[in-house]
Amino acid sequence: KAGVTQTPRYLIKTRGQQVTLSCSPISGHRSVSWYQQTPGQGLQFLFEYFSETQRNKGNFPGRFSGRQFSNSRSEMNVSTLELGDSALYLCASSLDGLAGGPSYNEQFFGPGTRLTVL
Amino acid sequence: ELKVEQNPLFLSMQEGKNYTIYCNYSTTSDRLYWYRQDPGKSLESLFVLLSNGAVKQEGRLMASLDTKARLSTLHITAAVHDLSATYFCAVGLNQGGKLIFGQGTELSVKP
Repeated sequence: KAGVTQTPRYLIKTRGQQVTLSCSPISGHRSVSWYQQTPGQGLQFLFEYFSETQRNKGNFPGRFSGRQFSNSRSEMNVSTLELGDSALYLCASSLDGLAGGPSYNEQFFGPGTRLTVL
Repeated sequence: ELKVEQNPLFLSMQEGKNYTIYCNYSTTSDRLYWYRQDPGKSLESLFVLLSNGAVKQEGRLMASLDTKARLSTLHITAAVHDLSATYFCAVGLNQGGKLIFGQGTELSVKP
């Protein structure tokens, strides 16, 4: 079974630009979550999408947005990039524990996109 | 606001020794996860703990959960160099996929 894939793997942008990252979940997984990892703040939850709807949201400014398509693939967008947005962005997919199964929502992470803002 | 705290944050061990990493969290939750991250790599799922008293073991690693104390432990037995990595615990919040992560414990196992 193929794992979670993310594209691109590396990205260099300049301040003020915008960027779109893509995530393809494991086949059959309907929930996709996004996390930002930095040395200073660690792993922080951005948002979760399920059935094309945002189900959970972290404490990030509105410059960070996302969406999910009918095939469960997800994209996240960061507008007006700042130097502090430089990070590893991780996407994770999971089966939906709300669908009658155990509420475990084990998340499987993709390889990440390394974003550098200059 | 849910907070997850790990200790120690850095751990240097000798091969063959035992040690425990602790994960404390501040709010009731019904699920706790342990992940491993190698330098420059993504997160690898190690354990999913769903109930009070749950214990899971894989090789030299054993994880347990005490929901009343809001504490999980990751015990390392007879450490080997291959276990060198950063270990994260994460707590599930509400329904769905939102996880709150601890700071991570950077483990270095030396010969």
